[in-house]
Amino acid sequence: AQKVTQAQTEISVVEKEDVTLDCVYETRDTTYYLFWYKQPPSGELVFLIRRNSFDEQNEISGRYSWNFQKSTSSFNFTITASQVVDSAVYFCALTSYDKVIFGPGTSLSVIP
Amino acid sequence: DTEVTQTPKHLVMGMTNKKSLKCEQHMGHRAMYWYKQKAKKPPELMFVYSYEKLSINESVPSRFSPECPNSSLLNLHLHALQPEDSALYLCASSQAGAEVDTGELFFGEGSRLTVL
Repeated sequence: AQKVTQAQTEISVVEKEDVTLDCVYETRDTTYYLFWYKQPPSGELVFLIRRNSFDEQNEISGRYSWNFQKSTSSFNFTITASQVVDSAVYFCALTSYDKVIFGPGTSLSVIP
Repeated sequence: DTEVTQTPKHLVMGMTNKKSLKCEQHMGHRAMYWYKQKAKKPPELMFVYSYEKLSINESVPSRFSPECPNSSLLNLHLHALQPEDSALYLCASSQAGAEVDTGELFFGEGSRLTVL
């Protein structure tokens, strides 16, 4: 069975702090994709990153970075020097041969 | 600005009403999706259209009826809904024809539905 776990339900940080959002997944498939989406209060889900199961390179995009480790089935997301605009719900997701599976989400609040 | 447009943004309806949610994209995407999202929960897939044909129906009750008039438009017709159907309904599109092959889902801002 495929499953995505985001153990942190809610996180609060003070602006400029670094924060890491955890994502652990389960799948028996050898080919799959992992994603992170951001959902601000406006409601729209915003795509942040996609990783396929054969690409374990970490990625950095501005203040955002992602750490993909197949050995631990984790795909963690770090925001450096957080800002108030980063406040949102973040979803980790997994696709395999049939559908997209979203994790339960982590609500991040960045306090000024 | 989002490239997937959903209307209306808010809808209040009674249990005997018939209403429709609309979704439009002009990115040339060939797959379009309806998701339902309850508060503080992840989106749940309802329907997938691939090349204008219904390819996935996640056992959604018949009071929800999807329609894809062309590759740019996706409708969700609502009839005899229940209060528990109140939720945010999200439309999405992707380049590929199958959800599993998608690189990126583009989501609209959603239609917030309240059923009285």
